[in-house]
Amino acid sequence: NAGVTQTPKFQVLKTGQSMTLQCAQDMNHEYMSWYRQDPGMGLRLIHYSVGAGITDQGEVPNGYNVSRSTTEDFPLRLLSAAPSQTSVYFCASSYSGNEQFFGPGTRLTVL
Amino acid sequence: KNQVEQSPQSLIILEGKNCTLQCNYTVSPFSNLRWYKQDTGRGPVSLTIMTFSENTKSNGRYTATLDADTKQSSLHITASQLSDSASYICVVTDNYGQNFVFGPGTRLSVLP
Repeated sequence: NAGVTQTPKFQVLKTGQSMTLQCAQDMNHEYMSWYRQDPGMGLRLIHYSVGAGITDQGEVPNGYNVSRSTTEDFPLRLLSAAPSQTSVYFCASSYSGNEQFFGPGTRLTVL
Repeated sequence: KNQVEQSPQSLIILEGKNCTLQCNYTVSPFSNLRWYKQDTGRGPVSLTIMTFSENTKSNGRYTATLDADTKQSSLHITASQLSDSASYICVVTDNYGQNFVFGPGTRLSVLP
């Protein structure tokens, strides 16, 4: 099992550009989520999904979109990047409320 | 508001020494509490999980305790190693099982 994979590992964007962060898991987990991690703060939930076709907002959803067309994939879209979105992004998956498995992260810089 | 606080913010110890990290939470209703280890540049990895009825859980040199009455947990690391240098994150799950509340983490540095 590859677990949770994320691409790209690093990305630099200019303000206003759009991009998609990819996340995939091969553990058949229902629950997937996206977090951002900023210095001195805990991971903050952006969006989550409890199954294919079902998504919901987390604590900090503004500026981000998600979709869940398959159980395996949960991409995160930035429609118009802003410097405030400079962060490290983690995707995680779990079976219901059990242990979350995290991907290696994507380090995003918005200039 | 559901919150998880951790102390200290950072800690430096010498290799071979023991240390204890603290976690206080206000999450309600409570389901379980996990400690994660996050190495630099990596995603968090689960160390222990504790439910309401558990007081102590060990994983090798890591021992977690939980006092559900005072809503406090601790993570004790015995005979620290250089590889223990990482951030340790306390995460509390509510009773609905889908709300994970993360603490800010404690940054541990183990020096030779």
